[in-house]
Amino acid sequence: EVQVVESGGGLVQPGGSLRLSCAASEFTVSYYWMSWVRQAPGKGLEWVAKIKQDGSEEYYVDSVKGRFTISRDNARNSVYLEMNNLRVEDTGVYYCAREDRKAYYDISQWFHPWGQGALVSVSS
Amino acid sequence: QSVLTQPPSVSGAPGQTVTISCTGSTSNIGADYDVHWYQQLPGTAPKLLIYGNNNRPSGVPDRFSGSKSGTSASLAITGLQAEDEADYYCQSHDNNVRGVVFGGGTKLTVL
Repeated sequence: EVQVVESGGGLVQPGGSLRLSCAASEFTVSYYWMSWVRQAPGKGLEWVAKIKQDGSEEYYVDSVKGRFTISRDNARNSVYLEMNNLRVEDTGVYYCAREDRKAYYDISQWFHPWGQGALVSVSS
Repeated sequence: QSVLTQPPSVSGAPGQTVTISCTGSTSNIGADYDVHWYQQLPGTAPKLLIYGNNNRPSGVPDRFSGSKSGTSASLAITGLQAEDEADYYCQSHDNNVRGVVFGGGTKLTVL
């Protein structure tokens, strides 16, 4: 079964750092764009970051630019999210997800599969 | 305030049909970008329900269907079942944001 599994969440003080990991199984991450999507407590989904197959392109939502870094290690079939200078409003569940699209040149993509999520709590 | 607008909640009795709307604009759905739908059961991760406006992944019952017209899209659920009670999200691409946008989510209650 195609799946991704996140790890690395936890409780951190404002201004602190965390690194999330996403390990893929039954598919090769090097063939896909990969994304992180988060969900604040009781709120909806928010896309956070994405990275191209070879790591040559990265994109971020404005609220995390300069603080979060997405990376990948295709040899380990994994993707990461380094989060620095964390804020209270970064609290939530962070999901790793594979991007699928109709064609490689398509801008529009959907997410499948999703991991079970990693809980990040930023509080003093 | 989400770029894609969904009703906060909908409800229906078992066996009934409900539809969930997803209203966008000329910078996203109206720009001919596909709409995708996700189901999030209580306490679980989102799961892909519909992709490319009206396609179901393997394993998704044909009670679920999607459609798109103009600047809006809809998810229809026929023959409602208790296990359909969940949050549903639409998703597309937006030219102004230059990236992925989600609807605010709709909570479906099965009466």
